[in-house]
Amino acid sequence: DTEVTQTPKHLVMGMTNKKSLKCEQHMGHRAMYWYKQKAKKPPELMFVYSYEKLSINESVPSRFSPECPNSSLLNLHLHALQPEDSALYLCASSLGRAPGANVLTFGAGSRLTVL
Amino acid sequence: DQQVKQNSPSLSVQEGRISILNCDYTNSMFDYFLWYKKYPAEGPTFLISISSIKDKNEDGRFTVFLNKSAKHLSLHIVPSQPGDSAVYFCAARSGYSSASKIIFGSGTRLSIRP
Repeated sequence: DTEVTQTPKHLVMGMTNKKSLKCEQHMGHRAMYWYKQKAKKPPELMFVYSYEKLSINESVPSRFSPECPNSSLLNLHLHALQPEDSALYLCASSLGRAPGANVLTFGAGSRLTVL
Repeated sequence: DQQVKQNSPSLSVQEGRISILNCDYTNSMFDYFLWYKKYPAEGPTFLISISSIKDKNEDGRFTVFLNKSAKHLSLHIVPSQPGDSAVYFCAARSGYSSASKIIFGSGTRLSIRP
């Protein structure tokens, strides 16, 4: 298995809703990432988990809450989002040790629309 | 402040010719560079990488060149094929650790015309 699987592919939510994005990989990777990508912009790093511990938080607002229940799963819990949070959310994973830590394998993304 | 810049948002190349995609960076601490390719409705896929201790890395039709003094790298695709039409992202990271902080450029949309 060489894939990162993200669900759902599309999500529409209101500003008062609570929803979650899910990401799963079975490649034995020990680092997992959330990126956010807006139209015609590069992917922007949000969070990095290394060996199930949060190692990087790029000053992301608390309405985004990541969770890494185990080495194969990564969730992004969403609450009280704003319309400007509408974007493609990309999950990625990497080996978690050099040099494999350099190469990220991405999922297809979850496209989020906040009304 | 964009640390990784791709100044050409789009590029059109005839099939069979060479495609050259360029990338500039500002952070001298970057020591590993990657190129990713992205098709619509898919996540980016890794294409080729280069360490800062090298100035060239080749993989089949793809070659990446690194000029550290100019803080510039380029991706050469030869010969270009229709399936190469995609958005190409340049990316960079600094230092080895168990988790990477990889910074992406804004991307170049490559179109291969028949």
